[in-house]
Amino acid sequence: NAGVTQTPKFQVLKTGQSMTLQCAQDMNHNSMYWYRQDPGMGLRLIYYSASEGTTDKGEVPNGYNVSRLNKREFSLRLESAAPSQTSVYFCASRGTGGVYGYTFGSGTRLTVV
Amino acid sequence: AQSVTQPDIHITVSEGASLELRCNYSYGATPYLFWYVQSPGQGLQLLLKYFSGDTLVQGIKGFEAEFKRSQSSFNLRKPSVHWSDAAEYFCAVVTFSGGYNKLIFGAGTRLAVHP
Repeated sequence: NAGVTQTPKFQVLKTGQSMTLQCAQDMNHNSMYWYRQDPGMGLRLIYYSASEGTTDKGEVPNGYNVSRLNKREFSLRLESAAPSQTSVYFCASRGTGGVYGYTFGSGTRLTVV
Repeated sequence: AQSVTQPDIHITVSEGASLELRCNYSYGATPYLFWYVQSPGQGLQLLLKYFSGDTLVQGIKGFEAEFKRSQSSFNLRKPSVHWSDAAEYFCAVVTFSGGYNKLIFGAGTRLAVHP
C-alpha cells in the first residue's frame, strides 16, 4: 500500500544513547517532515525537507539532526538522547501542485530513560 | 507568528448528541485549514480541508467544518456522535515561510463519548 513507513514503531533508549528514526515514502513526494507529539502540545515541527538535498529547521530542532538520503527517505537522528526527547515521532510527506496532500506515518513511540 | 488555538482540551458528549470542536487561527493571509483525527495509538487521518470557495466544507465520517474569516475560526461539527468518534482531534493551518510550505497544529481536543 502506498504511504509513509516509519521504523521502528517502539524504542526505549538510555540517556546518552544515539539512534536514527527511519522514514520512507513511496508516493514520489518532494517534501518530507518530522514532527513530535507531546500531550497537550499537539504536533510540533522538528525539521523538514522541501526537496531532495535540502533540509531546514522547524520549531523544535535542538537535539536532532536529519538526512534526506534520497527522494524517498528522510531520517531523524538523536545523537545523545535525553529524557525530554521522550515523545511520539511522526513523519509526513507532501506532493507538489498544492498545499494539500500531507500523508502521515503511523508514528514511532520513543522512551528515553 | 502563525498559530492555531484549540480552546477545549477535553470534551465529553453522549452518543447521539451533536458535537462542535472549536479552532481559532492566527494567520495574515488566506488560510489553508485542516482537521485531522487520531485514534488511540494510531497515526493522523485527514477529516477535511478548506482552501477557498464555499465556507462550509464536508469531510469523511459525517463531519463538516465552517470557515469564518471574521472570527478567524474553523470549527468542526457533527450532528450525531457515534461511540467510534472518541479520539483526539487536531486543527492545523498551512503556513508559507521562505517559500516553503509547513503545517502548524493546534494542541488538540480529546473527545470522549458516553454511551
